[in-house]
Amino acid sequence: GQQVMQIPQYQHVQEGEDFTTYCNSSTTLSNIQWYKQRPGGHPVFLIQLVKSGEVKKQKRLTFQFGEAKKNSSLHITATQTTDVGTYFCAPNTGTASKLTFGTGTRLQVTL
Amino acid sequence: DADVTQTPRNRITKTGKRIMLECSQTKGHDRMYWYRQDPGLGLRLIYYSFDVKDINKGEISDGYSVSRQAQAKFSLSLESAIPNQTALYFCATSDLSWGGTSGYTGELFFGEGSRLTVL
Repeated sequence: GQQVMQIPQYQHVQEGEDFTTYCNSSTTLSNIQWYKQRPGGHPVFLIQLVKSGEVKKQKRLTFQFGEAKKNSSLHITATQTTDVGTYFCAPNTGTASKLTFGTGTRLQVTL
Repeated sequence: DADVTQTPRNRITKTGKRIMLECSQTKGHDRMYWYRQDPGLGLRLIYYSFDVKDINKGEISDGYSVSRQAQAKFSLSLESAIPNQTALYFCATSDLSWGGTSGYTGELFFGEGSRLTVL
């Protein structure tokens, strides 16, 4: 079955530093979604990637989908305290219309 | 008002008690889901439903049951709660649709969560 690893589990950065989280699958994906969960909140959809090699940007956030559609990354440039939270990838193999999630990367940003 | 509403938001109960967590949505989505969140384990799928007549087990359905009373309502029951069911539970809805080679696409909309503590 599909195995998904999300790394790192936790990262602590100083405000202004960059941050990257990676999601790696053992199988080829149809698409992948990314969610953010603020402390005490619920997951909120950020983006969906469907094409091989796709790169999408949302202000300081850059999302990439690997050429082989087995991995994805989320990069935040110049982190701010508002970026604090846990980032989840949700890979989809396309064989079932249910979404499973990676274990998440918790980001802490300090001044 | 929230599009996906969960009740109760917090509940403390004792081992062996029956607990029901309720979810209602105003988004008009057919697909509804129950997830469980534990620290370090991410979100794990308990049950999901594509419509009133279609209910499916997720990764961790043992010890749980669900009922889809209407398109807008999806409830999760713990028939006899045990301490390791202490967790944060999320209901979600989706407008997932088949995108051909892109697979199923569409985002999940989550409720605010129900924190359950089993003593």
